[in-house]
Amino acid sequence: NAGVTQTPKFQVLKTGQSMTLQCAQDMNHEYMSWYRQDPGMGLRLIHYSVGAGITDQGEVPNGYNVSRSTTEDFPLRLLSAAPSQTSVYFCASSYGRVDTEAFFGQGTRLTVV
Amino acid sequence: DQQVKQNSPSLSVQEGRISILNCDYTNSMFDYFLWYKKYPAEGPTFLISISSIKDKNEDGRFTVFLNKSAKHLSLHIVPSQPGDSAVYFCAASGGNNDMRFGAGTRLTVKP
Repeated sequence: NAGVTQTPKFQVLKTGQSMTLQCAQDMNHEYMSWYRQDPGMGLRLIHYSVGAGITDQGEVPNGYNVSRSTTEDFPLRLLSAAPSQTSVYFCASSYGRVDTEAFFGQGTRLTVV
Repeated sequence: DQQVKQNSPSLSVQEGRISILNCDYTNSMFDYFLWYKKYPAEGPTFLISISSIKDKNEDGRFTVFLNKSAKHLSLHIVPSQPGDSAVYFCAASGGNNDMRFGAGTRLTVKP
């Protein structure tokens, strides 16, 4: 089982550029979420989804968009990258609620210059 | 507003001894608590959890204790092994799909 797969692993963007971070899971989980990890801050929830076609905002949603057209995929879009979005991004999926035991991807390290 | 706090950024223990990692929270609505372990260049992996209706949960070498009146939980690892060296995150939730994480404690277990 691949679990949760994130691509790319590393990315450098220029300010103002857009990009999509990909996330796919093969565990048939209904719940998926995106977090960012910054030094001294732990992980913070950006957006989450409780099923295909349903998304909602987390703690730090500004500057990010998500969609959930299938159970497997949950991409995160940065519409106009800013240096403040330099971070490590983790996608997670869970069998139960978003705030229960989650399986995380390996992360995407994003640098915005 | 950091609702979950891990005040010790790092902890070093000798192999075979007990490791105690601490976590404090401020939101009295939190009713479910989790610990995750993270190795470098990997995503966090779930370790153990506890519901607010319990004060202790044990899984092999790992035990989590919850003190609701003090809004404090701790993770005990006995005996500690070098492979336990990682960053440990405490997380808490209140049933609204919003999980809050602490900043993490880096545990080093020396052989």
